[in-house]
Amino acid sequence: AQSVAQPEDQVNVAEGNPLTVKCTYSVSGNPYLFWYVQYPNRGLQFLLKYITGDNLVKGSYGFEAEFNKSQTSFHLKKPSALVSDSALYFCAVRDISMDSNYQLIWGAGTKLIIKP
Amino acid sequence: DAGVIQSPRHEVTEMGQEVTLRCKPISGHDYLFWYRQTMMRGLELLIYFNNNVPIDDSGMPEDRFSAKMPNASFSTLKIQPSEPRDSAVYFCASSSDRGDSGNTIYFGEGSWLTVV
Repeated sequence: AQSVAQPEDQVNVAEGNPLTVKCTYSVSGNPYLFWYVQYPNRGLQFLLKYITGDNLVKGSYGFEAEFNKSQTSFHLKKPSALVSDSALYFCAVRDISMDSNYQLIWGAGTKLIIKP
Repeated sequence: DAGVIQSPRHEVTEMGQEVTLRCKPISGHDYLFWYRQTMMRGLELLIYFNNNVPIDDSGMPEDRFSAKMPNASFSTLKIQPSEPRDSAVYFCASSSDRGDSGNTIYFGEGSWLTVV
């Protein structure tokens, strides 16, 4: 069965430091991978995605993520954190070998707190 | 584009009352999704429509929940009768595809429901 894990409920980072929000997945075939962000009291917003091609994907607000097939990971990173990056981050995966019904699986979310 | 529009943004209702949540998707999007977000269960897909037709309602928790999409620009999620455990944030989202094939899912700001 497909699954996605965000092993950390919360990540605390000082402003200006690099940040990493972890995501690992399990699929039987090849994955499509996504990161979304949810700011307080708002809906989710798309950040970036991996479909194919370069393993390093760049997205909105200076975020990037690296697809690592051997480690089945898609960690979200940013070189220098801003206080405004504080939000809830969701990883999502689809196993593209499963072509029947809708199969986008969401992680539980990681709360990112950037301290001034 | 104004994005996905949901109403009401906040609703407090008494147990047993009927609740109707409304959604206007982004014009031209063929797919509409209803999600529920709670602390305990995270983000859950309740139902999704393609071209106004319900495709998968397996996430609808029980018969008290129903969703309709009478036309391409309007959808409702109804809870009747409501119970305290229905308290959650309900998101409507739309996309030009199922959202798991590469295209972005656009979320509304959510309807924050409290059943007392």
